[in-house]
Amino acid sequence: NAGVMQNPRHLVRRRGQEARLRCSPMKGHSHVYWYRQLPEEGLKFMVYLQKENIIDESGMPKERFSAEFPKEGPSILRIQQVVRGDSAAYFCASSPGGKPNSYNEQFFGPGTRLTVL
Amino acid sequence: KNEVEQSPQNLTAQEGEFITINCSYSVGISALHWLQQHPGGGIVSLFMLSSGKKKHGRLIATINIQEKHSSLHITASHPRDSAVYICAAKHNTDKLIFGTGTRLQVFP
Repeated sequence: NAGVMQNPRHLVRRRGQEARLRCSPMKGHSHVYWYRQLPEEGLKFMVYLQKENIIDESGMPKERFSAEFPKEGPSILRIQQVVRGDSAAYFCASSPGGKPNSYNEQFFGPGTRLTVL
Repeated sequence: KNEVEQSPQNLTAQEGEFITINCSYSVGISALHWLQQHPGGGIVSLFMLSSGKKKHGRLIATINIQEKHSSLHITASHPRDSAVYICAAKHNTDKLIFGTGTRLQVFP
């Protein structure tokens, strides 16, 4: 049973370009979470999705950032017109869902390290 | 004040020592995660607990819901335990709220 997969592992973009980060949850998991870790800072929640639904996007910047988790395929975190301040590690986690919150353990992917030049 | 506080921020130990990392939270939670992150590396979930105590190998995690406090203990520490340990409170809406981490270095 493969773990949470993220790609690419490293992504370099120039200012103004778009960045697309992909996350494939563990088999059988229907809940996906995106977290961001800025350099020398702690992890911060961005967005929580279930298949075809955004459940909580309270941590998403108001502009340029969007996320989706389609019926088929991986979850995508999209950053338009990237700026240097977007340089960070972006982690995805997944959980099974369908259980009370106290049993929905989250498992993390290896992260995508985005560098904006 | 952060909703999740960890102490200490940095910790050094000699191989073999018993280590304790503390976490206090001020929000309502359904569970608490302890995570491990190596420099430049990914994040490994060590424990998720909502009451009592869990043990895995040399690692022990405890939580006191009434006092809103959790501890992570490492027995017989080893240099390979050197990493950042992060406490994360699982909000009732399922998102995680993270502490700032404790950087542990274990010297031989």
